Amino acid sequence: QVQLQESGPGLVKPSQTLSLTCTVSGGSISSGDYYWSWIRQPPGKGLEWIGYIYYSGSTYYNPSLKSRVTISVDTSKNQFSLKLSSVTAADTAVYYCASCSGGSCFDYWGQGTLVTVSS
Amino acid sequence: QSALTQPASVSGSPGQSITISCTGTSSDVGGYNYVSWYQQHPGKAPKLMIYEVSNRPSGVPDRFSGSKSGNTASLTISGLQAEDEADYYCSSYTSSSLYVFGTGTKVTVL
Repeated sequence: QVQLQESGPGLVKPSQTLSLTCTVSGGSISSGDYYWSWIRQPPGKGLEWIGYIYYSGSTYYNPSLKSRVTISVDTSKNQFSLKLSSVTAADTAVYYCASCSGGSCFDYWGQGTLVTVSS
Repeated sequence: QSALTQPASVSGSPGQSITISCTGTSSDVGGYNYVSWYQQHPGKAPKLMIYEVSNRPSGVPDRFSGSKSGNTASLTISGLQAEDEADYYCSSYTSSSLYVFGTGTKVTVL
């Protein structure tokens, strides 16, 4: 069974870049069976899909975040990463990594990590 | 892309059935059978309950069922139980090869 674990700073200053990593265990990130996604949830609000990456490097992003988002994959470490630039307080949220296998989206989730944007 | 529309809240008594709707457009819900439903308890990560409109992952009780008609998908919980009290979200694949979530529904067991 695939397991996902987010890691990264819990506090980021405004205008800086948020960087998170998701480590995948129980399966190979380069197997081609999954798409790897980032999803966020501001405190007390709903879920927002950020984007996903395939092991080959193909990426798809939420149009509302596209200009600030980069998702990348490191197959040697079985990890994928999120970078969100020029953050503001509105980017404060719990960030989840999740997997998508064919039509079964999103089947596995990390526990989530709270990132607060504040000076 | 706009979030899919869900009712803010739905409630029911134990043993009853409730249905949560998820309304999109022909570019998402109506155009693809890639609608999923998630259950989220406070402080926890969402859990996949239904995928591809009506399929249940292993371990999900058969009290949970999904369907779709036109641009609206629905999640029905039959025989409502206290542990079903949670937030529920739908998601859909879209024509731009993207994904979109619903606005979320708080289910209360009376």
